Amino acid sequence: EPEVTQTPSHQVTQMGQEVILRCVPISNHLYFYWYRQILGQKVEFLVSFYNNEISEKSEIFDDQFSVERPDGSNFTLKIRSTKLEDSAMYFCASSELGQGYEQYFGPGTRLTVT
Amino acid sequence: QKEVEQDPGPLSVPEGAIVSLNCTYSNSAFQYFMWYRQYSRKGPELLMYTYSSGNKEDGRFTAQVDKSSKYISLFIRDSQPSDSATYLCAMSAREYGNKLVFGAGTILRVKS
Repeated sequence: EPEVTQTPSHQVTQMGQEVILRCVPISNHLYFYWYRQILGQKVEFLVSFYNNEISEKSEIFDDQFSVERPDGSNFTLKIRSTKLEDSAMYFCASSELGQGYEQYFGPGTRLTVT
Repeated sequence: QKEVEQDPGPLSVPEGAIVSLNCTYSNSAFQYFMWYRQYSRKGPELLMYTYSSGNKEDGRFTAQVDKSSKYISLFIRDSQPSDSATYLCAMSAREYGNKLVFGAGTILRVKS
């Protein structure tokens, strides 16, 4: 069964450093998403991406964040200068075009900022 | 008022019990209603989705949506210890694109 994969599973970084989280969405999906979940809190939407452009983004997704589809399979989230409060699980998800209600999530990357 | 509210539990039931999980919401624009299961430190797993009001059944799971009351439910029949997880409701509205708005999740423990 096709699935979304994410790497790394755990990333530890120092405050102020840049991190890139990587995702491989399901191959025939055209919509990609990033969500985050701070420990003990709700899953929160960050951004959606379609046709090499951001479709929607939340207030959380400020200038420190960027997304990219560098090739035909990967989808990345970059955090330019990490802050302590960026520590969270980051989930990538994907869906088919027109089926945003059917989003499939990856296993997540746990980001720890020290 | 929070956009989506969900009792965090934990909800403890004996094996074989019928489980009822619920969410309420405030935004009448929501049209799609999803239930996800999340095991500890794992990604959310889509169980089922429903469009607008009504019921949907998939095996031991039944989802119900009552838009007039802004209330959704997930029923699990013949619950198993392997059903022990956090259950997240999520919702979306066409006017917000594909953004999912999640509840806080209900921790379910099924005791054998």
